[in-house]
Amino acid sequence: DAMVIQNPRYQVTQFGKPVTLSCSQTLNHNVMYWYQQKSSQAPKLLFHYYDKDFNNEADTPDNFQSRRPNTSFCFLDIRSPGLGDAAMYLCATSGKRDEQFFGPGTRLTVL
Amino acid sequence: GIQVEQSPPDLILQEGANSTLRCNFSDSVNNLQWFHQNPWGQLINLFYIPSGTKQNGRLSATTVATERYSSLYISSSQTTDSGVYFCAVAPNDYKLSFGAGTTVTVRA
Repeated sequence: DAMVIQNPRYQVTQFGKPVTLSCSQTLNHNVMYWYQQKSSQAPKLLFHYYDKDFNNEADTPDNFQSRRPNTSFCFLDIRSPGLGDAAMYLCATSGKRDEQFFGPGTRLTVL
Repeated sequence: GIQVEQSPPDLILQEGANSTLRCNFSDSVNNLQWFHQNPWGQLINLFYIPSGTKQNGRLSATTVATERYSSLYISSSQTTDSGVYFCAVAPNDYKLSFGAGTTVTVRA
């Protein structure tokens, strides 16, 4: 089945230790998104790729970066995680101006 | 940016009851989606409904774009319907803005 896959599902890191989260899709969609969702809050868009074009939200901290080496894969890099970065990270994809589909998420714990 | 308001914030239902969730938005939209977030955190697509009415089993949704609202109707609720329901909209582009969600608890 076509889908959005995120690895790992759970990630534990130490304060300040870089971490990378992975997302892949078999939908061949143009657009890939990364959202952050903290407890009892709505998902918040961090950035997205439209094909190879990277689009950062204005309030996304510099600590967060992303890479999209090809159509299928997208990575979220957190350079120096702080306690406030503990959250669920959701990857989503869509065609152009179309329905978004979400992966199962990666729950990040920062010790 | 566009404002998205969901009501009620919390809803407690007895199994078998019917209920309606509401989503109001402040500007015209090209995309409107309803999601159910399950206990493991995954967002499950319920409806892609920028306008009109759709039904899927016990769930149905209606969006009246000219009046800037959408409704999600749950009939004959089951305990598996529990979770958070999000409405999300995109005005001119493809970036979704989420409402704060409605937390639904269905009691057996």
